[in-house]
Amino acid sequence: DAGVIQSPRHEVTEMGQEVTLRCKPISGHDYLFWYRQTMMRGLELLIYFNNNVPIDDSGMPEDRFSAKMPNASFSTLKIQPSEPRDSAVYFCASSRGTGADTQYFGPGTRLTVL
Amino acid sequence: QKEVEQNSGPLSVPEGAIASLNCTYSDRGSQSFFWYRQYSGKSPELIMSIYSNGDKEDGRFTAQLNKASQYVSLLIRDSQPSDSATYLCALVGGYNKLIFGAGTRLAVHP
Repeated sequence: DAGVIQSPRHEVTEMGQEVTLRCKPISGHDYLFWYRQTMMRGLELLIYFNNNVPIDDSGMPEDRFSAKMPNASFSTLKIQPSEPRDSAVYFCASSRGTGADTQYFGPGTRLTVL
Repeated sequence: QKEVEQNSGPLSVPEGAIASLNCTYSDRGSQSFFWYRQYSGKSPELIMSIYSNGDKEDGRFTAQLNKASQYVSLLIRDSQPSDSATYLCALVGGYNKLIFGAGTRLAVHP
């Protein structure tokens, strides 16, 4: 299995620009998670989907952030407009179930907003 | 109080020693606990899970859970330089979400 695939691996953009991060989960996994990791705040869950439906988006920091999962093999996390404080590593993870099921993380996207 | 607390470290141990990593949590109702390892610049990967009080061993790794005292620990025996990484403690919280601690950085020196 190819594992969770994320693109791009690195993104450098200027404040105010729109940023779109992409994720392909492991085939057969019904749950998809978006996390953000910073030195200050650690690893935080932003949103997760079950069977393409958003279940909990309470971790999404503000309206500038949005996430979609149009089908079982693709999800996007969009930031519009981006700000320097959005600079972080964004991870996508997938699992067969939630809770105690093992989550498999993608390689992450390192976002730098200038 | 954070839901999952870890000492950020770094914890420095000599090669061959036992590394002891600790984690405390605030929700007494938590039932499922995990240890993830994250190498610098890489993504987290699950190394141990534990659900019952007591010890669980897997090779050089032992996870310990004490629900009465609300702590989880990870012991790494015969530490190797390749064990140098950040170790994240996690538990299943509300809405079946994983909640991570800030992580403890372990450095194993030859």
